[in-house]
Amino acid sequence: DIQMTQSPSSVSASVGDRVTITCRASQGIGTWLAWYQQTPGKAPKLLIYAASSLQSGVPSRFSGSGSGTDFTLTISSLQPEDFATYYCQQADSFPYTFGPGTKLEIK
Amino acid sequence: HVQLQESGVGLVNPSETLSLTCTVSGGSTSSYYWSWIRQSPGKTLEWIGSIHSSGSTNYNPSLKSRVTISVDTSKKEVSLRLTSVTAADTAQYFCGRDAGQGWCDTWGQGTLVAVSS
Repeated sequence: DIQMTQSPSSVSASVGDRVTITCRASQGIGTWLAWYQQTPGKAPKLLIYAASSLQSGVPSRFSGSGSGTDFTLTISSLQPEDFATYYCQQADSFPYTFGPGTKLEIK
Repeated sequence: HVQLQESGVGLVNPSETLSLTCTVSGGSTSSYYWSWIRQSPGKTLEWIGSIHSSGSTNYNPSLKSRVTISVDTSKKEVSLRLTSVTAADTAQYFCGRDAGQGWCDTWGQGTLVAVSS
């Protein structure tokens, strides 16, 4: 299985801050990577697919980059509704696997 | 727009079978993959498996011996069966729609299943 790691595991930030979350795959996955946002008690929401494509309806302050093994999710200017947990997922090969998550908290 | 709704028994005895249904509304099951993903309390997400509307399946090897996913396109339902459950199978179970690239663009709200006697 492809192992996904994320850093940091948690981060505290303020409204208006720029935040970057990193995801690393244990082997190259091209751009077969998605990012999700999850708030407590809710289902994950697809933000970014194919490493850098913005899902329809997602604000443009979210962006993704990377290929191969290293990927980043950037939120350019945090809004109150962005405080949540973020997961990366590889879709290069079965079984699909998710990162452990990064919890974004209000400072 | 398409909506997904999971349903099923919320409490299952150890060693018995977990059965869930995902009902699709506002769209068709055809030409999509349908995934089941679970999340144990406080943990990350685990992909269980997926099925194409044609019936072809892929399962997580860690669960493959116990999992069956099926689709009924006429009823617009996707089903999950997990046999011989243990406490480790206690989780929130989600169904999701995958356009064929491996990520789910639409999710159900999830249903909590507890395994306990």
